[in-house]
Amino acid sequence: QLVLTQSPSASASLGASVKLTCALSSGHSTYAIAWHQQQPEKGPRYLMKLNSDGSHTKGDGIPDRFSGSSSGAERYLTISSLQSEDEADYYCQTWGTGIRVFGGGTKLTVL
Amino acid sequence: EVLLVQSGAEVKKPGESLKISCKGSGYSFNTFYWIGWVRQMPGKGLEWMGIIYPGDSDSRYSPSFQGQVTISADKSISTAYLQWSSLKASDTAMYYCARQATNGDYFDYWGQGTLVTVSS
Repeated sequence: QLVLTQSPSASASLGASVKLTCALSSGHSTYAIAWHQQQPEKGPRYLMKLNSDGSHTKGDGIPDRFSGSSSGAERYLTISSLQSEDEADYYCQTWGTGIRVFGGGTKLTVL
Repeated sequence: EVLLVQSGAEVKKPGESLKISCKGSGYSFNTFYWIGWVRQMPGKGLEWMGIIYPGDSDSRYSPSFQGQVTISADKSISTAYLQWSSLKASDTAMYYCARQATNGDYFDYWGQGTLVTVSS
């Protein structure tokens, strides 16, 4: 069964870096994912597509502070030089034959 | 610029019907791209509901939403729809439309959302 697992919450200080994790279920370690950001009271925004080899394609206007990487069945979103507007929920999304799923989301707090 | 503009907030009573819309612009709405719908219940995460290819109205549904909603499209006006025939209180949520990318089944542009409130 294709499932994405995310930690419910994360926090980091203003100006620091943070690495969020999205874990693919067993047997799906080669799957690509997409990362989305949802700021408070706003709709989601596509950040990037992230492949199993760590290559990624960012959406329009996404700052260089946002980057992606992969290791095994884990997909990461790293945000550097954290700003207050980065405080948001972050969701990963993946797809397989006849199935598309979202992770449960990680709420990032910028301290 | 790719834009997906959704219809406004709705307040309905249980048992009523509803159709909300999503108008695409800035890209070829009828070809290459599927449009999807995503539910977000209050305080909860994103749930993939289904998608439609406006060019021929081919649609796919999540098992969780199959039979509960209907997704349609009118390619002549670049608009996709999500409709209910009989709303329930549990349909209260924010609904987003989104464009599916061509190099994977993920969403690369999102609408602003339509809040649906169902209450007696």
